[in-house]
Amino acid sequence: DVKVTQSSRYLVKRTGEKVFLECVQDMDHENMFWYRQDPGLGLRLIYFSYDVKMKEKGDIPEGYSVSREKKERFSLILESASTNQTSMYLCAASGVDQPQHFGDGTRLSIL
Amino acid sequence: EDQVTQSPEALRLQEGESSSLNCSYTVSGLRGLFWYRQDPGKGPEFLFTLYSAGEEKEKERLKATLTKKESFLHITAPKPEDSATYLCAVQQAGSYQLTFGKGTKLSVIP
Repeated sequence: DVKVTQSSRYLVKRTGEKVFLECVQDMDHENMFWYRQDPGLGLRLIYFSYDVKMKEKGDIPEGYSVSREKKERFSLILESASTNQTSMYLCAASGVDQPQHFGDGTRLSIL
Repeated sequence: EDQVTQSPEALRLQEGESSSLNCSYTVSGLRGLFWYRQDPGKGPEFLFTLYSAGEEKEKERLKATLTKKESFLHITAPKPEDSATYLCAVQQAGSYQLTFGKGTKLSVIP
């Protein structure tokens, strides 16, 4: 089974800080994804990457950027954190024509 | 635009009381329909992929079916450990993205 590991389960940051969320997968999968999950809104795709150094915007990329320097690692960056970015952030990975497998999430609070 | 609607939003069942969860979808060219289970405080756990109308997949007490407009997740004789939120998602042909429904929260009472 694919193992997707997110570096923090809980994180508290201040408004205006630059925030890094890290995700690592152990199955050499090409595709990696960042979602946020909010009550009543479900999972929404922020960014995804289909190869090293390649990235594509999802449905809600504003206020975020990503980095994929190595195949196993995909980072989500909040350039200047705001309170409306308080959420559960989920990372996923998949191989070609394979289902996405998720990490356990990072619950981020911006104060 | 792809759309996924799950119903009901919440479902309470007595242990052993079988039922079905519904996922209605609109997509231009279905690549696959996915079912996930999510426990509180955890990420979604993959259950099934369905690719074409008429296809069925089973795992323990769960069976997923697919038509051209909807999918059902049938739960037979559920147990309390089946309590979770069940998520449905669709993938359009030629796309990497999944579009998720908002989920059905299932509670199975002993």
